[in-house]
Amino acid sequence: DSGVTQTPKHLITATGQRVTLRCSPRSGDLSVYWYQQSLDQGLQFLIQYYNGEERAKGNILERFSAQQFPDLHSELNLSSLELGDSALYFCASSVASGTGSNSPLHFGNGTRLTVT
Amino acid sequence: GNSVTQMEGPVTLSEEAFLTINCTYTATGYPSLFWYVQYPGEGLQLLLKATKADDKGSNKGFEATYRKETTSFHLEKGSVQVSDSAVYFCALSAQGGSEKLVFGKGMKLTVNP
Repeated sequence: DSGVTQTPKHLITATGQRVTLRCSPRSGDLSVYWYQQSLDQGLQFLIQYYNGEERAKGNILERFSAQQFPDLHSELNLSSLELGDSALYFCASSVASGTGSNSPLHFGNGTRLTVT
Repeated sequence: GNSVTQMEGPVTLSEEAFLTINCTYTATGYPSLFWYVQYPGEGLQLLLKATKADDKGSNKGFEATYRKETTSFHLEKGSVQVSDSAVYFCALSAQGGSEKLVFGKGMKLTVNP
């Protein structure tokens, strides 16, 4: 058990809808990362938050947004959903205090999103 | 930009066979290199890492050596077990840490008894 909790485990929704994925990091971890895993694109980094502030941005679409709350949990919001957004979304956390930290990432078990 | 290229498989081996999964990278500076493993139905777990040239990471019988001259970080295990069946990801971090990891596409390994 990595200590990272993601909810829900599965989500099925229709095109055009909006969903929210939730992540609780491991106790003591200040950084939260979001990744998208799809068959054709592999594992893509979306965004990182550290202690409530955005730290790094990857291939995140404008329809997607995220935030990290004072209690350090994070939410990833996906709107105007398209069929191509169907994927496994992973959250990871680390104690990383900043750039260059060697603290490992601890991954949750993911949320499987299916857009129909 | 930074990138990782690895064998994609899938690969099927018999128990006790030798395993090599090739991984090469492109990055500026001195990245840190990682191997992550994803067991069925689970998230990724760090398997091993190396943070500078000629470092060898090892864990659970797996090894990988950071080769700067060939920009490679191949994963090896001398004798695989059924329990090693999983997807293996090579990754790098250009900042030298765990931030903004760039992953390879992953390789699915199945080990048969």
